[in-house]
Amino acid sequence: QSALTQPPSASGSPGQSVTISCTGTSSDVGGYNYVSWYQQHPGKAPKLMIYAVSKRPSGVPDRFSGSKSGNTASLTVSGLQAEDEADYYCGSYAGSNNLLFGGGTKLTVL
Amino acid sequence: DEQLVESGGGLVQPGGSLRLSCAASGFTFKSYWMHWVRQAPGKGLVWVSRISTDGTNTAYADYVKGRFTISRDNVKNTLYLQMNSLRAEDTAVYYCARDFNNWYVRTLGGQGTLVTVSS
Repeated sequence: QSALTQPPSASGSPGQSVTISCTGTSSDVGGYNYVSWYQQHPGKAPKLMIYAVSKRPSGVPDRFSGSKSGNTASLTVSGLQAEDEADYYCGSYAGSNNLLFGGGTKLTVL
Repeated sequence: DEQLVESGGGLVQPGGSLRLSCAASGFTFKSYWMHWVRQAPGKGLVWVSRISTDGTNTAYADYVKGRFTISRDNVKNTLYLQMNSLRAEDTAVYYCARDFNNWYVRTLGGQGTLVTVSS
């Protein structure tokens, strides 16, 4: 199966909101509510930011929110801060005991 | 603190084998399903494998089936990944991760271990 599709880059100024998309198919994103988002700073391990489409693990700021419509999931970061600059990856269960990730989006805070 | 520490990576020739280890501490290891996820240099995340709490249920990505074997030792609190018939495209940083609410992964800050397959 192919990776989920994300834009390679996104950007916004401090305080603004930015939305990153993640497009899959009816066999993964559209077929299950097992969508997740991960943040990865350079040289660091990825960190789970959103799970089950829109839920936040304990400790993740509520500036991070997730949603899904059809085969496309979205991550919105509101009130952008300098420390939000990182790579973001979406993930989705794809059936048959398989987990897919997106290709990643580099978020730049201008 | 909850922690996962990977080890065992290194340089190996194509066709060779390597066994990765992941030492868990700070939580009840035997209570969690576990995963391996990898990331080629400059590339995105790719899921590799998952194992159940007692080790009887395993799953693999298609591109490693038949070559990689995931296992665990709940006495030693350690997760393993035996990698055979290694290919250049297996070159990556390998992260172990704890399952969270089914099919979500948490690396707990582990730095991963780099596997380089090259002659």
